[in-house]
Amino acid sequence: DAGITQSPRYKITETGRQVTLMCHQTWSHSYMFWYRQDLGHGLRLIYYSAAADITDKGEVPDGYVVSRSKTENFPLTLESATRSQTSVYFCASTRARQGRNTEAFFGQGTRLTVV
Amino acid sequence: AQKITQTQPGMFVQEKEAVTLDCTYDTSDQSYGLFWYKQPSSGEMIFLIYQGSYDEQNATEGRYSLNFQKARKSANLVISASQLGDSAMYFCAMSRSGNTPLVFGKGTRLSVIA
Repeated sequence: DAGITQSPRYKITETGRQVTLMCHQTWSHSYMFWYRQDLGHGLRLIYYSAAADITDKGEVPDGYVVSRSKTENFPLTLESATRSQTSVYFCASTRARQGRNTEAFFGQGTRLTVV
Repeated sequence: AQKITQTQPGMFVQEKEAVTLDCTYDTSDQSYGLFWYKQPSSGEMIFLIYQGSYDEQNATEGRYSLNFQKARKSANLVISASQLGDSAMYFCAMSRSGNTPLVFGKGTRLSVIA
């Protein structure tokens, strides 16, 4: 099915381990984003990408790494997971459109627990 | 920098009544967009409605309307004829023109009572 999918949906990992969250979209949208959702904070931007091989930091990038070698994939890696990175992670994408803003389409989210 | 403020952490509304969820924003940009998203208990983020800063008329999408008051920098969501299925978390968000990332408020949890 067309859309944006995240994997895994749920993940438990130990402090200090590296973990990668996957995001795949089938629309060929140019822009992709990673957000984390925490109680009391809403959604906060971690990283985003305007195209393949173009990435930029968001509000809370520390401890995360991203790459975008292909337009359709935008993995998020926690290099050494900490308990403070326990959160729900959302991937989103938008198509490029000049003149007006475009809504972001979100994946189902990944609930990550760091123990 | 852009900022979204949602001052109502939680709200209750009777079924079939209308409800207004508040959203104020802060930006120095002249061109921007305002969005509302719904997040039901299942967790997905559902786009509801969009308002451009230069749009002269308030946006409407079915039972959703956006009360846009540019001078007051407010973009309140109005849900008419509330249904039990409207119970969810609602997020206001904004972005600069184009494809810049969305900045979100902290959300309002709406509970619809039968």
